[in-house]
Amino acid sequence: AQSVTQLGSHVSVSEGALVLLRCNYSSSVPPYLFWYVQYPNQGLQLLLKYTSAATLVKGINGFEAEFKKSETSFHLTKPSAHMSDAAEYFCAVSEGSSYKLIFGSGTRLLVRP
Amino acid sequence: GAVVSQHPSRVICKSGTSVKIECRSLDFQATTMFWYRQFPKQSLMLMATSNEGSKATYEQGVEKDKFLINHASLTLSTLTVTSAHPEDSSFYICSARDRAGWETQYFGPGTRLLVL
Repeated sequence: AQSVTQLGSHVSVSEGALVLLRCNYSSSVPPYLFWYVQYPNQGLQLLLKYTSAATLVKGINGFEAEFKKSETSFHLTKPSAHMSDAAEYFCAVSEGSSYKLIFGSGTRLLVRP
Repeated sequence: GAVVSQHPSRVICKSGTSVKIECRSLDFQATTMFWYRQFPKQSLMLMATSNEGSKATYEQGVEKDKFLINHASLTLSTLTVTSAHPEDSSFYICSARDRAGWETQYFGPGTRLLVL
């Protein structure tokens, strides 16, 4: 069975600092991996996805993630945090041919002025 | 980009009544739609997978007679919470899988249900 672990339920950074949100996955087959962002009382917006092409994936709003098979990781980064990045971030893995998404528990990003 | 809408965005109802939530893919055809439930400060829990023209597949522990799902067309799926009770109060989110970009789900804005 596939699973996703997000380390750190809360991450706090200063505006302009590096953002690093951690995600580790477990999958018996080559995974498809996703990062979504959720703003309060809203649905999820796709930030980026890995589908077995390039291991370094660039997404919207300056975010990127690197797929590392040896570490079973797909950490999300952004060089310089902006106040508008404050939100909840979810890492997810796609479950085989059913296309179900298995979500991590989420990480709330706080950006300090 | 692919847009998914939900209606209503917020609903308050009395205990014992039924509530219908609509999920529409606005600019693409969705062969598969998913329904999730999210409790405050928690992650999304998949309730069911809905394929156009066929019965929904429910996750373990989800009552299919309580959460009725209909996917009558390639752009519309509905979730009906029957005989709602206060414990059904939650944030319900749908997503749709684009027929073309098969691996990606696009999410609706969610529906906040409050049962009094």
